[in-house]
Amino acid sequence: EPEVTQTPSHQVTQMGQEVILRCVPISNHLYFYWYRQILGQKVEFLVSFYNNEISEKSEIFDDQFSVERPDGSNFTLKIRSTKLEDSAMYFCASREQGLKNIQYFGAGTRLSVL
Amino acid sequence: AQRVTQPEKLLSVFKGAPVELKCNYSYSGSPELFWYVQYSRQRLQLLLRHISRESIKGFTADLNKGETSFHLKKPFAQEEDSAMYYCALTTSGTYKYIFGTGTRLKVLA
Repeated sequence: EPEVTQTPSHQVTQMGQEVILRCVPISNHLYFYWYRQILGQKVEFLVSFYNNEISEKSEIFDDQFSVERPDGSNFTLKIRSTKLEDSAMYFCASREQGLKNIQYFGAGTRLSVL
Repeated sequence: AQRVTQPEKLLSVFKGAPVELKCNYSYSGSPELFWYVQYSRQRLQLLLRHISRESIKGFTADLNKGETSFHLKKPFAQEEDSAMYYCALTTSGTYKYIFGTGTRLKVLA
């Protein structure tokens, strides 16, 4: 069964550094999402992406964040200058075109900002 | 504002006992609701969606628009049901998910 793949599983970085979290969505899916979960808190929506552009973003998704689909298979989340409060689990999700609004999630990348 | 509330952080039941995980929502439009489950060290997986009205692994959930609820139920809990359960609401447009805080279910032997 096809899965959403995320790399790395754990990323440790210093405050102020740039990080790129990578996701390979399921191949025939057209809608892509990033969510994050700070330890002990709920899973929160960050951004949705369709047809090579952002379709919606949350208040969390400020100018420090960007997303890209560089090559037709990868979907990346970049944080330009990480802060301590960016430490969280980041989940990528994808869904196919059509009425079945089922999102398939990756296993997540744990980002630790020191 | 759109919101999903799961009032219990932790629910412990004995094997064979009935289980009910509560979920209430707030949304002015026509909601689409889901239950996702996360077993230890695994990814979030879809358990149920209200539109399909099916039973998966013995779990059912009925959308009650009057009470704005979508509680998850199982008549006889099994140890393998121990996991984190998230209720989610999706909105029209981008269909982003809005999650509740989750309920950890522990089924005791």
